Amino acid sequence: GAVVSQHPSRVICKSGTSVKIECRSLDFQATTMFWYRQFPKKSLMLMATSNEGSKATYEQGVEKDKFLINHASLTLSTLTVTSAHPEDSSFYICSASPPAGDYNEQFFGPGTRLTVL
Amino acid sequence: GQQLNQSPQSMFIQEGEDVSMNCTSSSIFNTWLWYKQEPGEGPVLLIALYKAGELTSNGRLTAQFGITRKDSFLNISASIPSDVGIYFCAGPYSGGSNYKLTFGKGTLLTVNP
Repeated sequence: GAVVSQHPSRVICKSGTSVKIECRSLDFQATTMFWYRQFPKKSLMLMATSNEGSKATYEQGVEKDKFLINHASLTLSTLTVTSAHPEDSSFYICSASPPAGDYNEQFFGPGTRLTVL
Repeated sequence: GQQLNQSPQSMFIQEGEDVSMNCTSSSIFNTWLWYKQEPGEGPVLLIALYKAGELTSNGRLTAQFGITRKDSFLNISASIPSDVGIYFCAGPYSGGSNYKLTFGKGTLLTVNP
């Protein structure tokens, strides 16, 4: 149990385009999901908390208009990188916590490698 | 804010050796989590600790929640090549109501066959 999937696993896009990344909890419902960004050989940096049915909460320094988050159902959150630029190239990872367990235990998706040309 | 100091930053060991890494915090944690991340993948939860002094094993992995609640260690016994990866400690933000996690900077483990 506690499986989280992400799609796509890799995406290459041109500068100025928008890219949508999906995060799904496959075997549980998640009212809260989290989006992280990770640079090569670095730790995970929390970008935002995605709340089902309400607005996402962004961490300091993360532009909400740049990184649009939609959590429209209990099993799906999406992150849209708008008008992507090369500096947005990174590894984006989502996570979720099953309601039956300790809410601090987050289970992660496999990540999405974004490359902006 | 909270900071997690994880050490060592990297380790190069021979297959069969034991490994130890640790994490310290500037504040008290109620939960310690240890994750492993392989290249190009998301982190996978290895061990979760909930009580000060708790010692928990998962196969060849053993982790302990420090008595002061400000530290934790992870040991790997008899390492094998598939243990290669980055190991992260993590704990919840203090006072957070939405269960955010803060992560250490990771320990990169390389195992030579």
